[in-house]
Amino acid sequence: GQQVMQIPQYQHVQEGEDFTTYCNSSTTLSNIQWYKQRPGGHPVFLIQLVKSGEVKKQKRLTFQFGEAKKNSSLHITATQTTDVGTYFCAGRVNTGFQKLVFGTGTRLLVSP
Amino acid sequence: NAGVTQTPKFQVLKTGQSMTLQCAQDMNHEYMSWYRQDPGMGLRLIHYSVGAGITDQGEVPNGYNVSRSTTEDFPLRLLSAAPSQTSVYFCASSYAPSTGFSYYEQYFGPGTRLTVT
Repeated sequence: GQQVMQIPQYQHVQEGEDFTTYCNSSTTLSNIQWYKQRPGGHPVFLIQLVKSGEVKKQKRLTFQFGEAKKNSSLHITATQTTDVGTYFCAGRVNTGFQKLVFGTGTRLLVSP
Repeated sequence: NAGVTQTPKFQVLKTGQSMTLQCAQDMNHEYMSWYRQDPGMGLRLIHYSVGAGITDQGEVPNGYNVSRSTTEDFPLRLLSAAPSQTSVYFCASSYAPSTGFSYYEQYFGPGTRLTVT
């Protein structure tokens, strides 16, 4: 079954509000990647975190990898309408072969 | 570079029909994979390949076949389409050194929207 869950499944915010999506794994992850998929589009790579407790920033986006390497978060400060889309986390699980397991995704809608 | 290309963009099949979804990449990536995307389910891995002649099953392989005769191409075959295979299919590729492909970003194609009636 699905090993990587994301919450919330959907969020609707007003432009300028902050947004956070959480990614939780039942097992330890070797790394975590984040992807963004615009409506009608395909997933596009945003960033990768590898170290326990790692924090990375991309302009208004802040990514964190948990100390236990079982969870991660993506925070967007002051959302803009261009942030609309579905955000996926993906992690390499330490059991089995080297595959990337995708989370269920969080769909973000931003109203102007 | 065209990146990852997929054809067709849309397809409607009747139950029991067969078809092949095409995927090609021009980045000389060793690793290629097929995902299906269904509402609320995220992206689920169907099959993957770590190089020409090498393929393996992902999380949801039943009803699908793959082969990899060249580095560039990785077609997905539906042997006998069923309504449960109605989905959006994405092909992806990435660099895959000996340390493991999942440490490198995956490049996705534009997707194929398949409806089985």
